[in-house]
Amino acid sequence: SQKIEQNSEALNIQEGKTATLTCNYTNYSPAYLQWYRQDPGRGPVFLLLIRENEKEKRKERLKVTFDTTLKQSLFHITASQPADSATYLCALGRHGGSQGNLIFGKGTKLSVKP
Amino acid sequence: KAGVTQTPRYLIKTRGQQVTLSCSPISGHRSVSWYQQTPGQGLQFLFEYFSETQRNKGNFPGRFSGRQFSNSRSEMNVSTLELGDSALYLCASRIGTGQEKLFFGSGTQLSVL
Repeated sequence: SQKIEQNSEALNIQEGKTATLTCNYTNYSPAYLQWYRQDPGRGPVFLLLIRENEKEKRKERLKVTFDTTLKQSLFHITASQPADSATYLCALGRHGGSQGNLIFGKGTKLSVKP
Repeated sequence: KAGVTQTPRYLIKTRGQQVTLSCSPISGHRSVSWYQQTPGQGLQFLFEYFSETQRNKGNFPGRFSGRQFSNSRSEMNVSTLELGDSALYLCASRIGTGQEKLFFGSGTQLSVL
C-alpha cells in the first residue's frame, strides 16, 4: 500500500541553524510533492510545491529537493527563527484525474530554540 | 479576500448522534475537499466536491457523507457517531480540479463522548 513517512515526529534546533526535514514515500509515483506548515489549532498553510521533473525549489529561506529515484524529499529552513516553530507536513499529489486527494505524512514538529 | 471559513469551531456530541459541519470556500473557488486529522493517523482524505458533484472519495465508511451547493459552500455529515470519529475536520478549497495548491480552513474540532 502507499506509504509516506516523515523522518521524525519532532526536531529541536537552535536559532540560526538550518533545519532539515525528510519525507520518504513507497509504492507511489507522485506527479508533485507539497510542503505545508501547520500551527496549533489552525489548518495547514501551503509553502512550496515541487514537481516530479524538478530537482530543487527555493522560496526565501526555504528550499525543497525532490529525488524520485530515492523516493525522498528534503525540506530545509535556513537561518531558522523561533517563529518557524510549527508542524511541517509533506503531501503527495498524483498524476491526472482529480488532484484534491493529497496523501499527507503525519508531520514533523519543529521547535527552534532562541 | 476572506479565507476558508468552517463552522462551528468546536463540537461536542455523544455516541450515536449525527453531526453536520459547514465550509465556505474562498470566493471563486469551486473545489472543496474534506480531511480528517487525528494524532494517530494524521490527515486523511474524505472526499472532494466540484460543481456540486463528488469527484473523489477516500476510504471512509458510508456514515461520512457530504454535499456541495451551487454557491460552492459545502457540508459534511457524520451519522451514528463513534468515539473514534473524534478528530479535527478540515475543509480545503481551490480554484478548480486542475490547481494543486489547497487553502485550508481552521477546522472543526469534534469530540465524541
